Amino acid sequence: SQQGEEDPQALSIQEGENATMNCSYKTSINNLQWYRQNSGRGLVHLILIRSNEREKHSGRLRVTLDTSKKSSSLLITASRAADTASYFCATVPSGTYKYIFGTGTRLKVLA
Amino acid sequence: NAGVTQTPKFQVLKTGQSMTLQCAQDMNHNSMYWYRQDPGMGLRLIYYSASEGTTDKGEVPNGYNVSRLNKREFSLRLESAAPSQTSVYFCASSGDTAYYNEQFFGPGTRLTVL
Repeated sequence: SQQGEEDPQALSIQEGENATMNCSYKTSINNLQWYRQNSGRGLVHLILIRSNEREKHSGRLRVTLDTSKKSSSLLITASRAADTASYFCATVPSGTYKYIFGTGTRLKVLA
Repeated sequence: NAGVTQTPKFQVLKTGQSMTLQCAQDMNHNSMYWYRQDPGMGLRLIYYSASEGTTDKGEVPNGYNVSRLNKREFSLRLESAAPSQTSVYFCASSGDTAYYNEQFFGPGTRLTVL
């Protein structure tokens, strides 16, 4: 079964608003990563947060990780129409080399 | 650098036919992966190769075989295609496995099995 589950499944916001999506996972992990997928394309890595980190920033992206709750959130600030895409979290369970992807959040940013 | 390349981009097969999906990376990465993505779903790991000469099963390996031909190339073979294998297939690579780094993805192969 999927290690990561994103919430919500779909999100529609206006340009300029913030978008928050969440990821939950089941086992202990080495790190958690967020990826973006534009329609019909391969995934592109956005940000990686290690299990001993609690928060990380990259441009308009802010990621948090709560290992006690086995959850992470991705915040995109001041969203743009170009942010329209699907966003996936991926975890690497401890002791494995396998990246396990969640089911994704489809974000639509309206101009 | 081309990154991760996949061939073909599209393929239509009849049930029972075989084919090989090719993947190559030019980033000198140790690890390579094959995923499938079904509509509205995340990626599911089929097989991976942590280093040249090794391969391991992922979440959904049945009906597939892989070959890590050399450090650059990792192929996925469908011996007898079934309609349930209709999907988009992505190849990915990453650097040193020990650090579980980011993955770099190819553009995908869209496979339809009739």
